[in-house]
Amino acid sequence: GESVGLHLPTLSVQEGDNSIINCAYSNSASDYFIWYKQESGKGPQFIIDIRSNMDKRQGQRVTVLLNKTVKHLSLQIAATQPGDSAVYFCAENNAGNMLTFGGGTRLMVKP
Amino acid sequence: DGGITQSPKYLFRKEGQNVTLSCEQNLNHDAMYWYRQDPGQGLRLIYYSQIVNDFQKGDIAEGYSVSREKKESFPLTVTSAQKNPTAFYLCASSSLEVGRYEQYFGPGTRLTVT
Repeated sequence: GESVGLHLPTLSVQEGDNSIINCAYSNSASDYFIWYKQESGKGPQFIIDIRSNMDKRQGQRVTVLLNKTVKHLSLQIAATQPGDSAVYFCAENNAGNMLTFGGGTRLMVKP
Repeated sequence: DGGITQSPKYLFRKEGQNVTLSCEQNLNHDAMYWYRQDPGQGLRLIYYSQIVNDFQKGDIAEGYSVSREKKESFPLTVTSAQKNPTAFYLCASSSLEVGRYEQYFGPGTRLTVT
């Protein structure tokens, strides 16, 4: 398949372990954040979002944490599975409907 | 099925030729976007449109052109003026409703220019 990032930071985890992917954002005025998952050769898929009036939001096997003090966002994946292997991007809304995307982190799940 | 489609998945062109990438959405979204993705880099915005017959340049618009004649369609032309056109191109769409900022992406088009 296509490689979406040859030089991305990589997180390697054992199947069944929990994964934590981190993202630092730049604009303290951003009020909305999204995590996307991108599998090789495909377009990014929406995973979960969080608004700036929240610190934590949970989905199915995923949790997003927002620390506005240090402008930090994290994505936690519980019981990581081989199908979770992908590149993960955070995005912040910086003006109206516009998003700014982070560089991405590659997650590799070892069976 | 609602969604956003891009065609073709792979495209090969000779240097000096213009090429147009297709993007169609049936999500009834007002806004549409084109991004370029290169290895080791995040998504970079080429052009976006928030209404029919209007569009704005993004961060890397040089060498590209777009049109928005219909709400559903936002084709991107990669012109011969684009110095390094080989890349993965992603189209996205979103609502303009306040607080509904998530963008939905198509499957992408891999363009190779030799």
